[in-house]
Amino acid sequence: SAVISQKPSRDICQRGTSLTIQCQVDSQVTMMFWYRQQPGQSLTLIATANQGSEATYESGFVIDKFPISRPNLTFSTLTVSNMSPEDSSIYLCSVGTAQETQYFGPGTRLLVL
Amino acid sequence: GQQVMQIPQYQHVQEGEDFTTYCNSSTTLSNIQWYKQRPGGHPVFLIQLVKSGEVKKQKRLTFQFGEAKKNSSLHITATQTTDVGTYFCAGPRNFNKFYFGSGTKLNVKP
Repeated sequence: SAVISQKPSRDICQRGTSLTIQCQVDSQVTMMFWYRQQPGQSLTLIATANQGSEATYESGFVIDKFPISRPNLTFSTLTVSNMSPEDSSIYLCSVGTAQETQYFGPGTRLLVL
Repeated sequence: GQQVMQIPQYQHVQEGEDFTTYCNSSTTLSNIQWYKQRPGGHPVFLIQLVKSGEVKKQKRLTFQFGEAKKNSSLHITATQTTDVGTYFCAGPRNFNKFYFGSGTKLNVKP
């Protein structure tokens, strides 16, 4: 199993600002993922964080809005840039592949005013 | 593209009643996973089904994978208040990624 921590756990931000969310895993993992969960909704994959190369973004998500870093095999950051109220969501990082158990971090609850 | 649909969206039951959520895919799945998310929490892995027609049990929870590997169900017998939460199925999109179902939110009245 993997233990994942995220910082911050929650934040309230003003529109137009940016927030960087950190994800730390207690073991080296190849695949790290960032998800968004809007209120009352399911999980939507934002991107796959690749170590040593650019993140792979899903349709509807772009690097300028959600830049991702993956400096090593245990850590990743997701930045939500130029925020608007529509960005108010829970942001979750996870590890694992589609053939294995997915472990999720506790999530970052973001409210944009 | 591949989609994973889940019904019902909500279910309110009296404690002790049974509960079932259904998951359907437009394409054949290599496996399907089920997750539970408690209110205010994050998704937690429950089980993975791989074989056609597979049935797995965890105490009061019974998971089934359809013969065609396109549908799955989660059945809870005699619900308890600790079962409250949202249940998601998830099917692989490719080797590394998942499609999550829309989820079924279960509320159990004591």
